[in-house]
Amino acid sequence: QSALTQPPSASGSLGQSVTISCTGTTNDVGGYNYVSWYQQHPGKAPKLIIYEVTERPSGVPDRFSASKSVNTASLTVSGLQAEDEADYYCSSYADGNNLLFGGGTKLTVL
Amino acid sequence: EVQLVESGGGLVQPGGSLRLSCAASGFTFSNYGMTWVRQAPGKGLEWVSRISNSGLVTNYADSVKGRFTISRDNAQATLYLQMTNLRAEDTATYFCASQFCHTTRCYLWYFDLWGRGTLVSVSS
Repeated sequence: QSALTQPPSASGSLGQSVTISCTGTTNDVGGYNYVSWYQQHPGKAPKLIIYEVTERPSGVPDRFSASKSVNTASLTVSGLQAEDEADYYCSSYADGNNLLFGGGTKLTVL
Repeated sequence: EVQLVESGGGLVQPGGSLRLSCAASGFTFSNYGMTWVRQAPGKGLEWVSRISNSGLVTNYADSVKGRFTISRDNAQATLYLQMTNLRAEDTATYFCASQFCHTTRCYLWYFDLWGRGTLVSVSS
């Protein structure tokens, strides 16, 4: 299976909102509601910030929200803060007991 | 402290073998499915393999199927990844992670506790 498609970069000013897309196929994103998003700061391990397409684990600010339409999932970060600058990866269950990640999006806070 | 600590990485020649370990502490390891995810230098995340909490169910990415074997020792609270016939493209930091559980439900394909990773370099 191929990786999910994410834009390599995104940016937004402090306090603004930015949305990152994640495109797959009917065999992964479009076929299942098992989409998640991870945040990774340089040199650190990934952190789960969204699961089951739209759900936030405890402790994740509600500035992070997500959705899905057909084969594309989206992550929106509202009220951008400096600490949101990181790499973001989407992930989806795929046919045949596989897990796919997106290529990652580097978010820059201006 | 709840944590996962990977070890066993290093430099290995193409065609060689290596066994990674992931020591768990601070939680009931036998209750959680586990996974390995790797990240090549400067690149994105790639799922490698997962194992059920009992160890009876395992899954692999196509890129490692037949070469890597995931296993666990619940008595020792340790996860393993046996890697054989290593290739240059296996060079990466390997993270272990435990499945995410919320209230009474555990989710097979989400992971919320991660180790810091161990670097595997495959080169002659």
